[in-house]
Amino acid sequence: GAVVSQHPSRVICKSGTSVKIECRSLDFQATTMFWYRQFPKKSLMLMATSNEGSKATYEQGVEKDKFLINHASLTLSTLTVTSAHPEDSSFYICSAREALDRSNTEAFFGQGTRLTVV
Amino acid sequence: AQKITQTQPGMFVQEKEAVTLDCTYDTSDQSYGLFWYKQPSSGEMIFLIYQGSYDEQNATEGRYSLNFQKARKSANLVISASQLGDSAMYFCAMREGRRGTGRRALTFGSGTRLQVQP
Repeated sequence: GAVVSQHPSRVICKSGTSVKIECRSLDFQATTMFWYRQFPKKSLMLMATSNEGSKATYEQGVEKDKFLINHASLTLSTLTVTSAHPEDSSFYICSAREALDRSNTEAFFGQGTRLTVV
Repeated sequence: AQKITQTQPGMFVQEKEAVTLDCTYDTSDQSYGLFWYKQPSSGEMIFLIYQGSYDEQNATEGRYSLNFQKARKSANLVISASQLGDSAMYFCAMREGRRGTGRRALTFGSGTRLQVQP
């Protein structure tokens, strides 16, 4: 099946620094990628929808200046957490769907990134 | 209102027995898809099974089957012959919208933690 690779899997950063998380579709083209956030023992909450070649669409309550999303190609979307603070510590996970997928089945997920801000 | 409701925060099952994880959903769309994902402690989201709103037969994938009751808006996951490796969080999710649109994200339930006991 299709593979989505997310990197890094874990990152620890100092408060005030920025962290970039990459989400790559390895064997298919993804016009749309989704970024989710998951707090411990909670569900996945959609943060934003990343569209290749255009601006991302953010969910209500998500700061677009804090969580910068770039989808520069059909196989790569990046999420940058700017000026990170301890409250940004969380599990971030991306998913992608094939550009030509008409089956409406499955969303492929990356492995997730566990961010800890100290 | 919650779009996806999972009322069982935790479930226990004996190894080799079957278990049903409940999921109800709320949508006004005629076309939608229902998904179940498994999330082990590593955090990755493992796709288990999909049911389309127009599918007349219940979906099955190996030991997983989806008990789809459209009128009741329920999509329960049945795991037969539970194994120790089935211990994980299980999320029910829904994608609303027309077949092939592909651009809509999944909405997740709060999850059920399944523990399989030897």
